[in-house]
Amino acid sequence: QQQVKQSPQSLIVQKGGISIINCAYENTAFDYFPWYQQFPGKGPALLIAIRPDVSEKKEGRFTISFNKSAKQFSLHIMDSQPGDSATYFCAAGPGSQGNLIFGKGTKLSVKP
Amino acid sequence: DSGVTQTPKHLITATGQRVTLRCSPRSGDLSVYWYQQSLDQGLQFLIHYYNGEERAKGNILERFSAQQFPDLHSELNLSSLELGDSALYFCASSVGSGSRQETQYFGPGTRLLVL
Repeated sequence: QQQVKQSPQSLIVQKGGISIINCAYENTAFDYFPWYQQFPGKGPALLIAIRPDVSEKKEGRFTISFNKSAKQFSLHIMDSQPGDSATYFCAAGPGSQGNLIFGKGTKLSVKP
Repeated sequence: DSGVTQTPKHLITATGQRVTLRCSPRSGDLSVYWYQQSLDQGLQFLIHYYNGEERAKGNILERFSAQQFPDLHSELNLSSLELGDSALYFCASSVGSGSRQETQYFGPGTRLLVL
């Protein structure tokens, strides 16, 4: 019930393409769904977050799509750039202990 | 820069030893969370402190302990270290108690290597 399943584990996209990362959750009590971006040697940084009362949120080239009935949400990166190459984590919360539950991460590589 | 600081950046030690990791939250944040990141387990929640009090425990081993001091900085103590404890340890901070949705800001992490 506390799990967040993320796919794919790794993703290779050409520059200018669309990167899509998917996550699924089980606990319907979750009401906060952030995406974090992590570069090698750095801590995760909040990229964008959504609440379940909206189906989509867009910030620049980054869009979260949220499907409450399916208990799924996804990150779309439009016009992907080599600088977007990083590991992306979806998360959901708060968990039963007030923490965020993280997916296992997707390593994105954008080829020039 | 998230405003969360962690020291040391790297730590190399031997099995059986004890180490202390330090975290200073963002100014004004009352909550500190500790996470362990390993290659095969992703980000695992360890423990949460709010305003000096323990709020929740996650997958934290009995050999590990933490505390949050009156100035709100936090320390994670790891003892009787084993090879499998080698990982990145992150702390994160947030404004409130974590009972409602709120952003967690992560520090740069401490890379622990146990030899």
